[in-house]
Parts: sequence; C-alpha cells; structure tokens
Amino acid sequence: GENVGLHLPTLSVQEGDNSIINCAYSNSASDYFIWYKQESGKGPQFIIDIRSNMDKRQGQRVTVLLNKTVKHLSLQIAATQPGDSAVYFCAGAFSGGYNKLIFGAGTRLAVHP
Amino acid sequence: DAMVIQNPRYQVTQFGKPVTLSCSQTLNHNVMYWYQQKSSQAPKLLFHYYDKDFNNEADTPDNFQSRRPNTSFCFLDIRSPGLGDAAMYLCATSREGLGNQPQHFGDGTRLSIL
Repeated sequence: GENVGLHLPTLSVQEGDNSIINCAYSNSASDYFIWYKQESGKGPQFIIDIRSNMDKRQGQRVTVLLNKTVKHLSLQIAATQPGDSAVYFCAGAFSGGYNKLIFGAGTRLAVHP
Repeated sequence: DAMVIQNPRYQVTQFGKPVTLSCSQTLNHNVMYWYQQKSSQAPKLLFHYYDKDFNNEADTPDNFQSRRPNTSFCFLDIRSPGLGDAAMYLCATSREGLGNQPQHFGDGTRLSIL
C-alpha cells in the first residue's frame, strides 16, 4: 500500500499475548520488505527485513511472514510488552532501483497491562 | 550511539521565513534521504542523494531544496515555509551496492510554523 489515511488502525493487546500486524502491498516488483517501529517523537526504527526469496524470517521475539501469492506481509511479536507500544510500518522496495521504500499506512499497537 | 543525527529536534519558524534542517551520519552510507511525515501518516519521500547525485521526487514542491556538501552531512532548505509545511522531517541513510539494505532513520526535526 501507499501512504494513505488520516487515522491509523489500532491493535490492542494484553501484555504477554502475541501480536500480529498485517500489511498488504500492491507492487509486484517489490522484492525486499522491512518492518519499522516508530515510537512517539522518534524516527522509524528497523526491526526486521525479509527478501522475496524467503517466506519467513525470525528475530528476537519477532517473526516476519511473506506471502507473495496474495502480496501479504505480517509481523508477529511474541509475548508483547508495554515497550512494544508504537506505530508499526511495513515498507517494500525494489532491489533493482535505488532502494526507494514504499510505506504502508501503519498500525498503532497498544499494549495493556 | 546515534548514527543518524538530526538537529535541531524542534524548530519553530515564521510563515515565509527560510529555514534549514540538518542531518549528519556516522555510518558512511552513500545514500541520504529526506522524508516529510505528518501526524498519523507514513513518511513521504521528498528527495535523496545517491553520492553527489540529487534525485527529486516528482511531487516535491519547489519550495523544498537540499544540499549535501560531503558524505556525512545533508541539509533540507525550505525557502518559504507555509502552514502546510508543519511536520516532522526525517533524514535516513542507506548503503547501496551491497544488496538490499534497510534505511536507517534519525529521530527527526519537528517543524512548527507561526
């Protein structure tokens, strides 16, 4: 997706639960995807990336799943903590270009104790 | 440990008064980007430098200019800020030529227009 919307969708979870944030993309040429976390008043922080020759990649407490057939990307956060509260953006890029990122609209994650 | 540093963090200027935002990096990345981000929206790319080559996005207003005097520094100049230019401005860097690499962002400068 492109930059759209004035109101971010919000995902509310309880502390300790797993969170799943979804993202759909439209550009079939995108072959590299990144998830960013943006806390209030800060810049986007790199979380995890995945290339199109993979369908899953794991980091510390995070997993990214890529389904190229339906152009869908998800970020799974295990045992969500209050510090995970932020806005999460997916972004896609085409490696044949200059790494221009196309951002999704973002999802606000609210973690409740 | 900040690797992409933006100054100042907050900038207030008057309507129509030129303003310059700065970005420096310690990553030695050859690509530097400027984004505009408005409330509850994703960052919007304004332009980028690939080494010394400037690349403007088609929909970036002429009011926005940029300078990159060396690898480490990049500036965003807004010649005549309007009320609609109030936003967070983000600088990012990336390293090309080594395969897919993520962009690294600074913490931004929040610009207010009086």
